[in-house]
Amino acid sequence: NAGVMQNPRHLVRRRGQEARLRCSPMKGHSHVYWYRQLPEEGLKFMVYLQKENIIDESGMPKERFSAEFPKEGPSILRIQQVVRGDSAAYFCASSPTGGWYNEQFFGPGTRLTVL
Amino acid sequence: GENVEQHPSTLSVQEGDSAVIKCTYSDSASNYFPWYKQELGKRPQLIIDIRSNVGEKKDQRIAVTLNKTAKHFSLHITETQPEDSAVYFCAAVNAGGTSYGKLTFGQGTILTVHP
Repeated sequence: NAGVMQNPRHLVRRRGQEARLRCSPMKGHSHVYWYRQLPEEGLKFMVYLQKENIIDESGMPKERFSAEFPKEGPSILRIQQVVRGDSAAYFCASSPTGGWYNEQFFGPGTRLTVL
Repeated sequence: GENVEQHPSTLSVQEGDSAVIKCTYSDSASNYFPWYKQELGKRPQLIIDIRSNVGEKKDQRIAVTLNKTAKHFSLHITETQPEDSAVYFCAAVNAGGTSYGKLTFGQGTILTVHP
């Protein structure tokens, strides 16, 4: 089991460009969470998805950010018109079910730098 | 929503000493409390967790205690080793009203174990 995969590991964008972050959950996991970690801070919940459904996006900024988890393929976190404040590490985590007691397995993260 | 406070922000100990990290949470309905270890540039990894119906849990050199009345929980590491050096995050999950595990993290503690 390869674990949770994220790509790219590092992404550099100029202000105004789009960033696409991908997350492939562990085999057999159909629940994905995205978290953002600003420099020297803890992780902040952004969005929780199941296949083809957004369950909770309460932590995601209303503008410029969107997430999806299609029936086939990885989950995508998309940031349009990036600004310097978007620079952070973005982690996804997966779990086999959405149960609150289930361990969430984290990916290695994508470090986004906005110039 | 839930708010988790974590102290201290940095902790320096000598090899062989014990280390204690404390967290408080705001929502009395929170019922699951995992601890994650994050080495520099790496993914967060679960090291121990505790559910609200248990007061203490131990796994070799690591233990976690929970005081539901006071709404605080602590991580205890005994006989620390240099490889314990990392950032440690506490988290809380409030499943009330939902059934999924949205993690609210503390700010993190940088633990340094000196040989």
